[in-house]
Amino acid sequence: GAVVSQHPSWVICKSGTSVKIECRSLDFQATTMFWYRQFPKQSLMLMATSNEGSKATYEQGVEKDKFLINHASLTLSTLTVTSAHPEDSSFYICSARDLDRVNTEAFFGQGTRLTVV
Amino acid sequence: DAKTTQPTSMDCAEGRAANLPCNHSTISGNEYVYWYRQIHSQGPQYIIHGLKNNETNEMASLIITEDRKSSTLILPHATLRDTAVYYCIVRVQGAQKLVFGQGTRLTINP
Repeated sequence: GAVVSQHPSWVICKSGTSVKIECRSLDFQATTMFWYRQFPKQSLMLMATSNEGSKATYEQGVEKDKFLINHASLTLSTLTVTSAHPEDSSFYICSARDLDRVNTEAFFGQGTRLTVV
Repeated sequence: DAKTTQPTSMDCAEGRAANLPCNHSTISGNEYVYWYRQIHSQGPQYIIHGLKNNETNEMASLIITEDRKSSTLILPHATLRDTAVYYCIVRVQGAQKLVFGQGTRLTINP
């Protein structure tokens, strides 16, 4: 099956710094990728839809200036958590669908665990 | 997308069939039923999806009622590695985003 890879798998950063998370589709092209956040013992919450070559679409309540999304190519989307604070500590997950296989399932990355200290 | 209702948790003995129910009484005619699971600290994994006919693959079977208001995911011979949170999602096929509910935490016991 299609593979989506996230990097890094985990990261610890100091409060006030910025962290970039990468999401790559390894064997297919994706015009659209999705970013989710998951707090402990909770479900995945969709943060934003990343569109190749255009601005991301953010869900209600998600600060676009806080969570910067760049989708510069058909295989790479990045999420940058700017001026991170401890409350941003969470599990961040991306997903993508194969552009050439319409009406197929979405594939997910393995997730990135962010800890802000 | 239509909302779904799933039990919060379920237990099943190893080697037995695990039957996970999902209610989606407001599903519309062009919405499919998708199942994903999430093993602890990993990204979700696709299991199966269907519209109105029952579906089977190497992982599971999906039984959808005739009125399509509910469905059941069946893991025929559960193993300890099937312990995970299982999410039932309905959406229009071709629609982009997936919206997750709370899912069912399935525990397979030895």
